[in-house]
Amino acid sequence: TQLLEQSPQFLSIQEGENLTVYCNSSSVFSSLQWYRQEPGEGPVLLVTVVTGGEVKKLKRLTFQFGDARKDSSLHITAAQTGDTGLYLCAGETGGFKTIFGAGTRLFVKA
Amino acid sequence: DAGVIQSPRHEVTEMGQEVTLRCKPISGHDYLFWYRQTMMRGLELLIYFNNNVPIDDSGMPEDRFSAKMPNASFSTLKIQPSEPRDSAVYFCASSTLLGTGEKLFFGSGTQLSVL
Repeated sequence: TQLLEQSPQFLSIQEGENLTVYCNSSSVFSSLQWYRQEPGEGPVLLVTVVTGGEVKKLKRLTFQFGDARKDSSLHITAAQTGDTGLYLCAGETGGFKTIFGAGTRLFVKA
Repeated sequence: DAGVIQSPRHEVTEMGQEVTLRCKPISGHDYLFWYRQTMMRGLELLIYFNNNVPIDDSGMPEDRFSAKMPNASFSTLKIQPSEPRDSAVYFCASSTLLGTGEKLFFGSGTQLSVL
């Protein structure tokens, strides 16, 4: 069974602080995605990483795919209250099938 | 584009009743997925379709669950009979093959409560 483990499960920080969340697996994925989910809504894609070692930046968010394509990290610089939400990593397995981690619930306090 | 549309947004029913969840994918998307989300188990893939054909239903919990996609613009997930442990948020998502990694577009979900 392919599993994606995310850490931490919950994170509460002050506005302006930096943070990193992690997504780890023992399996290799052809691509890995990060989604953000707000209460009462479905997840929304933030980024897809495909190449081992790849780094992508989306404004204050930096995403990295591990060299072996088994893990990924999401770093947020100077967090804002609008960053509050559930961050999910998802890995594409064979056959166009995506599995999700349990998520990191982020709360940014003003 | 209106995005993926799910109905109803909320469903409250009694144990033993039949429940039908509906989904309209984004026009032109040839993949459709049904996920279930709970606090305990996170997002679980139940079943997915390609060009209206079920490809992988290994995530469907048991025979009480069934899903159909009669055409490219409509899918249903049915639970009969429903049980309290089926209470969860059910999401439908659609996608198309991009060649650079998947991009799933999710609906707003159906919050199901089975009493």
